[in-house]
Amino acid sequence: KAGVTQTPRYLIKTRGQQVTLSCSPISGHRSVSWYQQTPGQGLQFLFEYFSETQRNKGNFPGRFSGRQFSNSRSEMNVSTLELGDSALYLCASSFGQGAEAFFGQGTRLTVV
Amino acid sequence: QQPVQSPQAVILREGEDAVINCSSSKALYSVHWYRQKHGEAPVFLMILLKGGEQKGHEKISASFNEKKQQSSLYLTASQLSYSGTYFCGTAEAGYGNKLVFGAGTILRVKS
Repeated sequence: KAGVTQTPRYLIKTRGQQVTLSCSPISGHRSVSWYQQTPGQGLQFLFEYFSETQRNKGNFPGRFSGRQFSNSRSEMNVSTLELGDSALYLCASSFGQGAEAFFGQGTRLTVV
Repeated sequence: QQPVQSPQAVILREGEDAVINCSSSKALYSVHWYRQKHGEAPVFLMILLKGGEQKGHEKISASFNEKKQQSSLYLTASQLSYSGTYFCGTAEAGYGNKLVFGAGTILRVKS
């Protein structure tokens, strides 16, 4: 069974640009959650999508957005990038609440 | 408010045991445990649900005290491969799969 796939693995962007990250969940999983991991703030929840609907949202500015497609694949977008957005972005897929959540390898975003 | 993990760091020799604790001020639906090695993604270890159900790796054991909203991860007969940062993630009822993570416990196993 294939795991969670995130693309790209590494990304370097300039301040002010926007970026789109992609996550393909484990087959059959309908829930995709996104997290930001930094040395200072740790693992922080961004948002969760379930059956194409945003079910939960963390405390991030509106520059961070996401969506989920009918095949459960999800994308997150960050507009007007800031230096502080440099982080490892992780997505986790799950069958549903109360089920295990499995992480992808992450996208390492560097904003210069 | 994130759960509190303790200890912050622990050093073991191979074969020794360790306990990592996770405490929340919220009424929890589930507690999830992960291990992350440097430069890698968190790896699922265990999920403990309100009501007593738990799923995870055979060699890992954990407990969840629903009255105290506390969970503990028990690492026995540690191996070098156990080294890494351990995170607990907590979920509240009605919040889907939103996990709030603790700051992590750094575990180093020495030979």
